[in-house]
Amino acid sequence: SQQGEEDPQALSIQEGENATMNCSYKTSINNLQWYRQNSGRGLVHLILIRSNEREKHSGRLRVTLDTSKKSSSLLITASRAADTASYFCATDWGTASKLTFGTGTRLQVTL
Amino acid sequence: AAGVIQSPRHLIKEKRETATLKCYPIPRHDTVYWYQQGPGQDPQFLISFYEKMQSDKGSIPDRFSAQQFSDYHSELNMSSLELGDSALYFCASSTGSRENTGELFFGEGSRLTVL
Repeated sequence: SQQGEEDPQALSIQEGENATMNCSYKTSINNLQWYRQNSGRGLVHLILIRSNEREKHSGRLRVTLDTSKKSSSLLITASRAADTASYFCATDWGTASKLTFGTGTRLQVTL
Repeated sequence: AAGVIQSPRHLIKEKRETATLKCYPIPRHDTVYWYQQGPGQDPQFLISFYEKMQSDKGSIPDRFSAQQFSDYHSELNMSSLELGDSALYFCASSTGSRENTGELFFGEGSRLTVL
């Protein structure tokens, strides 16, 4: 598939700690996006980073993109219990009219 | 603000039956996507439409078909249902072009259970 693995598959941290998730992909991309999904619910867009960008911030979120390594990371700072969810990266590549999702990281934030 | 509306939210069918899922995109969004997500799996792309024409096709079984209508709503038709079709089916919409996929807005999904 176009999308590689996300790691870790699961992450458990305490409130206030930072959470870092990594995503790898296989071919050149137009942009990479991160989504959040609460159990059994729809996916919610968090942030989009274009292939010519290296870092982007949005509130407590920081995304980096390294196109030479075909990888991206999502950092959530000062995590909260409400951040508990699955996080997916997704790539837009070539002329495809779609996003290809990674395997996701399940984040558990405990009090 | 208006979101993507999917119906029905839950659907139970027997093997070999037919199911139809409906999706109403956000107004003025011109692209619709369908994804299938099995338990504990990542969303798998099925098919997309841009301006009512099929835009891209993924791992959609031949038993499935979809179309986008003149009012931009879309329907996913699934026939000869199999147990393995049990999944969450998401519709998403965007204002992306054929060449560039921007932010997708997802509906809450339709949960299909095949018995």
